[in-house]
Amino acid sequence: NAGVMQNPRHLVRRRGQEARLRCSPMKGHSHVYWYRQLPEEGLKFMVYLQKENIIDESGMPKERFSAEFPKEGPSILRIQQVVRGDSAAYFCASSSQTGIHEQYFGPGTRLTVT
Amino acid sequence: RKEVEQDPGPFNVPEGATVAFNCTYSNSASQSFFWYRQDCRKEPKLLMSVYSSGNEDGRFTAQLNRASQYISLLIRDSKLSDSATYLCVVNRGSGYSTLTFGKGTMLLVSP
Repeated sequence: NAGVMQNPRHLVRRRGQEARLRCSPMKGHSHVYWYRQLPEEGLKFMVYLQKENIIDESGMPKERFSAEFPKEGPSILRIQQVVRGDSAAYFCASSSQTGIHEQYFGPGTRLTVT
Repeated sequence: RKEVEQDPGPFNVPEGATVAFNCTYSNSASQSFFWYRQDCRKEPKLLMSVYSSGNEDGRFTAQLNRASQYISLLIRDSKLSDSATYLCVVNRGSGYSTLTFGKGTMLLVSP
């Protein structure tokens, strides 16, 4: 069952370190979306990517955050110089070309910044 | 006004009860609507899309009122396994793929 895969599932970083979160979309899906869920909050859209292109990054913080979806390999969400406020669950979702609005989520990466 | 608003609950109901959730959205250009469910510390899972004519999937019925910008979800014959948070979701506008999530309504079904 080739669902959306994310790794690592849990990540602990000290303040100032870098965090790299990976997402492999569902088989046959070429659209990837990243969301962040803070404790007791709803999911917030961060960025939408297709292979080698960022389509919409309007939800991405201006500094320290970047995302890519290379031609080969998983999508990467990178957070530089992490701070305590970055502690959250980061979910990746994917969709197909035809079902462009129906998004299927991965299990998430729980980032804890100490 | 929030983009997607939901009553946070929790809704506490006994098994077998019928329960309804409501949701309002602010962007009149939104064209796609969904209900997702999220179990505690898990990923959101697509429950159903919501169509203009209303649609049903087993015990679940979704309705859309574009004029009022209002979406509903009805669950009949509640099961213990229905306990979860239900997320109302709309796309950001015409031609936009990105989704806006409500904060969710928590449902607790008790024996």
